[in-house]
Amino acid sequence: GQQLNQSPQSMFIQEGEDVSMNCTSSSIFNTWLWYKQDPGEGPVLLIALYKAGELTSNGRLTAQFGITRKDSFLNISASIPSDVGIYFCAGQPDSNYQLIWGAGTKLIIKP
Amino acid sequence: GAGVSQSPSNKVTEKGKDVELRCDPISGHTALYWYRQSLGQGLEFLIYFQGNSAPDKSGLPSDRFSAERTGGSVSTLTIQRTQQEDSAVYLCAGRGRNTGELFFGEGSRLTVL
Repeated sequence: GQQLNQSPQSMFIQEGEDVSMNCTSSSIFNTWLWYKQDPGEGPVLLIALYKAGELTSNGRLTAQFGITRKDSFLNISASIPSDVGIYFCAGQPDSNYQLIWGAGTKLIIKP
Repeated sequence: GAGVSQSPSNKVTEKGKDVELRCDPISGHTALYWYRQSLGQGLEFLIYFQGNSAPDKSGLPSDRFSAERTGGSVSTLTIQRTQQEDSAVYLCAGRGRNTGELFFGEGSRLTVL
């Protein structure tokens, strides 16, 4: 079946550092989504990507839909304490198919 | 309401009892998903409802799990004869037409003693 590989699994960073995480798939997707989950909450959508090569920003967050349609990355610039949480990527092969989820990247900011 | 509402937010039950978890999605969202999330883990797909089509039950882990969606809106996930390994957060999400974006509730945390 289709799989998503999300890396890294976890990241320990200093406040102010930039963060990068990515997802790769074994097949082509036509939608990539990035979510963040805070403790005790459901995931919240950060950025949605619908076209190969698309680069979209949301404040300090930037995500790109890879040109091969098999990968996507999420960058966070100048991290702050409230960025901690688990970030999930999700992809959709076509509009009639359910989302396929990465295993998540846990972001921890060192005090 | 404005968002996806799930109830109860927390449920503690004894092994062997049945539980029902409820999801009230955003009005107009035609697709509804149930996921399970164990502590520190990712999202495990359980079941997917899309309009009047037959639901995709391929993620249900055993026949103790079932779900229904009445009138295209509220959904109930039922777990019969609960086991300790059923302990997890159960998340519901809705999706609007012509979009891949899911909107999640806050989840129902189930603890089976």
